[in-house]
Amino acid sequence: AQSVTQPDIHITVSEGASLELRCNYSYGATPYLFWYVQSPGQGLQLLLKYFSGDTLVQGIKGFEAEFKRSQSSFNLRKPSVHWSDAAEYFCAVGAAGGGADGLTFGKGTHLIIQP
Amino acid sequence: NAGVTQTPKFQVLKTGQSMTLQCAQDMNHEYMSWYRQDPGMGLRLIHYSVGAGITDQGEVPNGYNVSRSTTEDFPLRLLSAAPSQTSVYFCASSRMEAGEVGELFFGEGSRLTVL
Repeated sequence: AQSVTQPDIHITVSEGASLELRCNYSYGATPYLFWYVQSPGQGLQLLLKYFSGDTLVQGIKGFEAEFKRSQSSFNLRKPSVHWSDAAEYFCAVGAAGGGADGLTFGKGTHLIIQP
Repeated sequence: NAGVTQTPKFQVLKTGQSMTLQCAQDMNHEYMSWYRQDPGMGLRLIHYSVGAGITDQGEVPNGYNVSRSTTEDFPLRLLSAAPSQTSVYFCASSRMEAGEVGELFFGEGSRLTVL
């Protein structure tokens, strides 16, 4: 079964600084990878996804992520964060060939933006 | 375009009571699912469905029932509520391509408290 690890429970970043959120997955075959963002009291919104092709994926709100198969990682990056980026971020993996088992989510990283 | 609609947004129950969380989507998605979100646990899959008349269990199905009589609706039933079911519940739907679940679209969540 697939699994996802987000090593950082909380991350604090100054506004305007760069950001990297880590995600490691475990799955033997080709994964589908996602990053979702959840603002307080809201549902989850898709930031970006990787199915195949170019390993550097661009998403909404200026986010990007890079799939590194050798490291089983799919880290999320943003060059300059804004106060509105404060939220909970979830990495998720779906398995190609996994059928309808759906997505497995990490436990989330809470992003705090300092002024 | 309403997307995924969940009702109610908030509910308080007493132990032993039953209730149904409603979920409807207007995107003609084959796949629908229910997750629960608990602090520090991420999202865990309760039940899912790949089409009308077809349902299956996820990671944490005990204490919950589902049915899928139409493509649009996927209600989640708590038969006898327990305090351990206090959580935020999310319904999510997706297209399926070649038997694979893709990007999940989430409702805004239903916060349930069981006293």
